[in-house]
Order: sequence, then C-alpha cells, then structure tokens
Amino acid sequence: GNSVTQMEGPVTLSEEAFLTINCTYTATGYPSLFWYVQYPGEGLQLLLKATKADDKGSNKGFEATYRKETTSFHLEKGSVQVSDSAVYFCALSPRGKLIFGQGTELSVKP
Amino acid sequence: DAGVTQSPTHLIKTRGQQVTLRCSPKSGHDTVSWYQQALGQGPQFIFQYYEEEERQRGNFPDRFSGHQFPNYSSELNVNALLLGDSALYLCASSLSPRGGGDTQYFGPGTRLTVL
Repeated sequence: GNSVTQMEGPVTLSEEAFLTINCTYTATGYPSLFWYVQYPGEGLQLLLKATKADDKGSNKGFEATYRKETTSFHLEKGSVQVSDSAVYFCALSPRGKLIFGQGTELSVKP
Repeated sequence: DAGVTQSPTHLIKTRGQQVTLRCSPKSGHDTVSWYQQALGQGPQFIFQYYEEEERQRGNFPDRFSGHQFPNYSSELNVNALLLGDSALYLCASSLSPRGGGDTQYFGPGTRLTVL
C-alpha cells in the first residue's frame, strides 16, 4: 500500500542553522510527492512538489529531491528563520488523493 | 484570485447531532477533497468530488457524506456526531485528474468540537 513516514519532532534549531526533515515513502507506481506547511491555527500551505524521480522541488529557500532508489523526499533549508517555525507534512498523491505523514514540528529560536 | 474558502470557522455541537460544513474551491478548480485532521496528526482523506459525484472515498463510515454543486462548491455532512469526530476539517481544491490536476490547495479549515 501507500504510506509516508516522517522523522519525529519536535525539532528545535537556532536561527541560521541548517534544516533537514526526513521523509520516506512506500508507494505503488510513481506518485507525485509534496511538502506542506501548517502555521499555528491555519490550514495547510503547499511548500513544494516533485512529480517524477530526480525532480527537485524548491520554494522560499526550501528544497527536496524525489529519490526513487531510496524512496525518500527529505526537506532541506540552508539557513532557517524564526518565521519558519511551523509543522511540516510530507505527502504523496496516488490517483488524486493525498496521503500524509504524521507531521514534524519545527521550532526556530532567535 | 480567491483561494479556497470554508465556513464556518468554528463549530460546537453535542453528541448525536448533525453538522454541515461548506467549501468553495479556488477559482478555476473543479475538484474538491475533504480531510479530517485530529489534533497532532496528519490529515486523513475522507472523500473527493468532481462532476458532482463522489469519486474516491477514504476509510470513513457512512455517517460522513457529501455533495458537490454545479458551481463546484461542496458540503460535508456528518450525522450522529461522536466525541471522536472533534477535529479540524480541511477542504482542498484542484483540477480534476482528467484535467491533469495533482496539486491540492487547502482552505483554512473548520474546527469542529463535539461535546
């Protein structure tokens, strides 16, 4: 079946630190992969996506590469800011519905 | 360009009651999906509508039903509410799979509390 596993949080970093949030998936076929971000009290915002193997999605300094050989889609950012504090969800999309991981809470301290 | 809108923002109901949540999709989108997000969890897929029909359904009981209108807006109905139905209900819109859509855009959600 299809599933997504994310590293557990919370992750606490100092401002300007390097961020990695691990995401691995199990899927039949080759679904699109997504990262969504959820700020406190809000809905989900699309952060980035990749539609096929070796694609790199990027947005607002965040990047993730669709790795078929390791079934991974790790989220990275070179220098985090306090405003990046949020919950991050990795998701895959088999046949039009989204399957989410459990989310990773990121807290960035000044 | 209006994004996805949902109403109401918050709702409090008691066990056994029925509730209706509403969603208007992003301009140009014809497909609406509903998700339930329990506290501290990732969203769970409830069902998806396009062309006014339910096209896919997740692992939710028949107490959860929906509807899509000709203008593509949608309703989620939950009957015989249980305490466990307390959650954030998220609506997402996209282009239909036939239209090549695979990216879903979310509304702000409706926070349902069942007492």
